[in-house]
Amino acid sequence: EAGVAQSPRYKIIEKRQSVAFWCNPISGHATLYWYQQILGQGPKLLIQFQNNGVVDDSQLPKDRFSAERLKGVDSTLKIQPAKLEDSAVYLCASSRASTGPSTEAFFGQGTRLTVV
Amino acid sequence: SQQGEEDPQALSIQEGENATMNCSYKTSINNLQWYRQNSGRGLVHLILIRSNEREKHSGRLRVTLDTSKKSSSLLITASRAADTASYFCATDGGTSYGKLTFGQGTILTVHP
Repeated sequence: EAGVAQSPRYKIIEKRQSVAFWCNPISGHATLYWYQQILGQGPKLLIQFQNNGVVDDSQLPKDRFSAERLKGVDSTLKIQPAKLEDSAVYLCASSRASTGPSTEAFFGQGTRLTVV
Repeated sequence: SQQGEEDPQALSIQEGENATMNCSYKTSINNLQWYRQNSGRGLVHLILIRSNEREKHSGRLRVTLDTSKKSSSLLITASRAADTASYFCATDGGTSYGKLTFGQGTILTVHP
């Protein structure tokens, strides 16, 4: 089966600009995660969708970050305006689980964002 | 804040040796998962152990879980240079929707 697709792979923007990332999960996967991974750290969960509903966005900086999952499939993550500290790799992952405990998560290659 | 904390932060061994990484967590869990990340790439799932399991094997990997101590260990036997990567534990912290929280990771270097 095809894996999780993310685009773009790399993005360089100036601070205060806006940027958007796109994710296409594995077909049939109900759960979609967006993680932020700063260099040298573990991934930090930003937002989790089950189907097209948000189940956790407790660590999403809502003043500048927004995300949506269209028709329970593709998802976009937007940052507006970007800050220097947003420089990180943004990882999208999906899993089959529609309710209850998590199952194996499949990750995309990530988008490396550099804010200058 | 991160749920899992890995130990050690970095581990350097020779090919053929065993590598052991530990993960501690703070709250009750549904399950615990281990992932590998090669430099500059996405994470790859290695193994999932449920809270009612104590040990699980997959090829050269052995995972143990001690819920009384809130800790897990990942053992890689007969390591290879290709095992060089960062290893993360991820805990499903007992919510109803499978929230996966990652630790800071262990950087493993296997020298040929």
